[in-house]
Amino acid sequence: NAGVTQTPKFRILKIGQSMTLQCAQDMNHNYMYWYRQDPGMGLKLIYYSVGAGITDKGEVPNGYNVSRSTTEDFPLRLELAAPSQTSVYFCASSYDRVTDYGYTFGSGTRLTVV
Amino acid sequence: DQQVKQNSPSLSVQEGRISILNCDYTNSMFDYFLWYKKYPAEGPTFLISISSIKDKNEDGRFTVFLNKSAKHLSLHIVPSQPGDSAVYFCAANTLTGNQFYFGTGTSLTVIP
Repeated sequence: NAGVTQTPKFRILKIGQSMTLQCAQDMNHNYMYWYRQDPGMGLKLIYYSVGAGITDKGEVPNGYNVSRSTTEDFPLRLELAAPSQTSVYFCASSYDRVTDYGYTFGSGTRLTVV
Repeated sequence: DQQVKQNSPSLSVQEGRISILNCDYTNSMFDYFLWYKKYPAEGPTFLISISSIKDKNEDGRFTVFLNKSAKHLSLHIVPSQPGDSAVYFCAANTLTGNQFYFGTGTSLTVIP
């Protein structure tokens, strides 16, 4: 059981470039989330999805887009990368909004924009 | 606006002693709380939860205490082990909310 898989693990982008961070889960979870963690800060929610075809903005959505065409996949798209998007990105999933078992997180993507 | 705060960035404890990690929140509507543990280069892993109908929840060496009137929760680890060395995050949500709000984390070092 792989859980939540994120690719790539590391990436360096130049300012203005675009990329997609991939996230896949094999637990048949309804809810999926994208968080970013900046140094010394807590995790901030970028976007979330409550099921295939349904997405919504979190706390810090500017500069990002998402789609959820299947239950398993929840890619995060960065358009026109900026240095402020240098961060570690975590994808997570859960069966329900509030559970006794929290979210299952991927291992993260470390992105540097130069 | 940081709704969940962990005011101690780091904590060092001797092996076998108790570790106490603290978390404060500002939103009185929060009624569900989680603790996560994170090792370097890994994603956070779920540790323990508590809802507002309880003031204490135990799971082995880990106990979480909730004081709703003070808007404060704490995680106790007894006895502490070197493998507990990690960053610990608390997170809070309402029962109808769509996101958990995370604290900034406390880095725990357990000294053998």
